[in-house]
Amino acid sequence: DIQMTQSPSSLSASVGDRVTITCRASQSISRNLNWYQQKPGKAPNLLIYTASSLQSGVPSRFSGSGSGTDFTLTISSLQPDDFATYYCQQSYSAPPFTFGPGTKVDIK
Amino acid sequence: EVQLVESGGDLVQPGGSLRLSCVASGFTFSNYWMTWVRQAPGKGLEWVANIKQDGSEKYYVNSVKGRFTISRDNAKNSLYMQMNSLRGEDMGVYYCVRGGSLGGYFAWWGQGTLVTVSS
Repeated sequence: DIQMTQSPSSLSASVGDRVTITCRASQSISRNLNWYQQKPGKAPNLLIYTASSLQSGVPSRFSGSGSGTDFTLTISSLQPDDFATYYCQQSYSAPPFTFGPGTKVDIK
Repeated sequence: EVQLVESGGDLVQPGGSLRLSCVASGFTFSNYWMTWVRQAPGKGLEWVANIKQDGSEKYYVNSVKGRFTISRDNAKNSLYMQMNSLRGEDMGVYYCVRGGSLGGYFAWWGQGTLVTVSS
């Protein structure tokens, strides 16, 4: 199975900050990496698919990059609505479709 | 508009059984892989199982193999999960998700249904 790790596990940031979250796969997954945002009590919401494609309706302040084993989610200017937990997920090899452990972004 | 509505979550004793259902609308259900993803209280997301469009292929996470069975009824636009021999570690919110093919992504999620395993 492919293992996914994320760093940091949590971070505190202020509105307007640039935020970067890293996701690493235990083996190459090409660009088959997706990012989700989840708020408490809600279902996850797809932000980025295939490493860098912005899902329809997602603000352009979100961007993704990377290939192989190392990937990044960037929020260019953090907004109040962005305080949430973020998960990466690989779809290169399954089963299972592994998720990362999550990165919680909260208010500084 | 795509909608996925789960039901069937409940309080069940360890060793008990439960059947989850998910009714889909707003898209051609029979054209898509479908997936169950779960989330234990306060924990992260875990892919549980998926099923091909015609039901001919089914895959499970190791921890539920032999206990859970995923199925679908394309005529009823419905996805199911039969859960037997439930354990404490099966407790959590179960999401019905559209998608599950290699190289794909999970763009549509249901609101989730809560399974509680406790005596």
